[in-house]
Amino acid sequence: AQRVTQPEKLLSVFKGAPVELKCNYSYSGSPELFWYVQYSRQRLQLLLRHISRESIKGFTADLNKGETSFHLKKPFAQEEDSAMYYCALTGLRDSNYQLIWGAGTKLIIKP
Amino acid sequence: DTGVSQNPRHKITKRGQNVTFRCDPISEHNRLYWYRQTLGQGPEFLTYFQNEAQLEKSRLLSDRFSAERPKGSFSTLEIQRTEQGDSAMYLCASSRRGPNNEQFFGPGTRLTVL
Repeated sequence: AQRVTQPEKLLSVFKGAPVELKCNYSYSGSPELFWYVQYSRQRLQLLLRHISRESIKGFTADLNKGETSFHLKKPFAQEEDSAMYYCALTGLRDSNYQLIWGAGTKLIIKP
Repeated sequence: DTGVSQNPRHKITKRGQNVTFRCDPISEHNRLYWYRQTLGQGPEFLTYFQNEAQLEKSRLLSDRFSAERPKGSFSTLEIQRTEQGDSAMYLCASSRRGPNNEQFFGPGTRLTVL
């Protein structure tokens, strides 16, 4: 079954502390993994995708096929990082590119 | 604002009534997606259009739900005989054609069925 699991509903860390948002997936083919973010009162927006291998707003995520994980990391959290974070996947060979989503993790950065 | 727009933003209806939502994608995007999101969950895929053709429908989409994209531009999602379980945020997204292009989301329509 195709599934994305984000085990933490809520993660609260102090400003300046490292952040790791966990994402595990189950997919029979070759997936592409994404992290989307939703700031308060704003729409969902793409944060990063594993294919791009880039760092956005200090966040990075590495696809670990052995552990089927795509954890999101940032070495020093900032207050403006407080938001809902969703991990999602799509199949690289799927014809419709529909996204399969995790339930999301609410990240709170304490001052 | 040239992003994806959705109307209305909020809809309150009584059980058994029909409702229709509209999505206007980014103009050069030929792919359009509908998702549904309930409280505490991530979005769930409902259906997908490439231009005017509806190419995929989720099993979540009962026959009370119908979606159209008549001219390959805006799309409508209609729910007939609404039920309380239909209460959710309905999200629309669009993307360019091609592999794994970024999906841009609208603000959503929040439906409350009383």
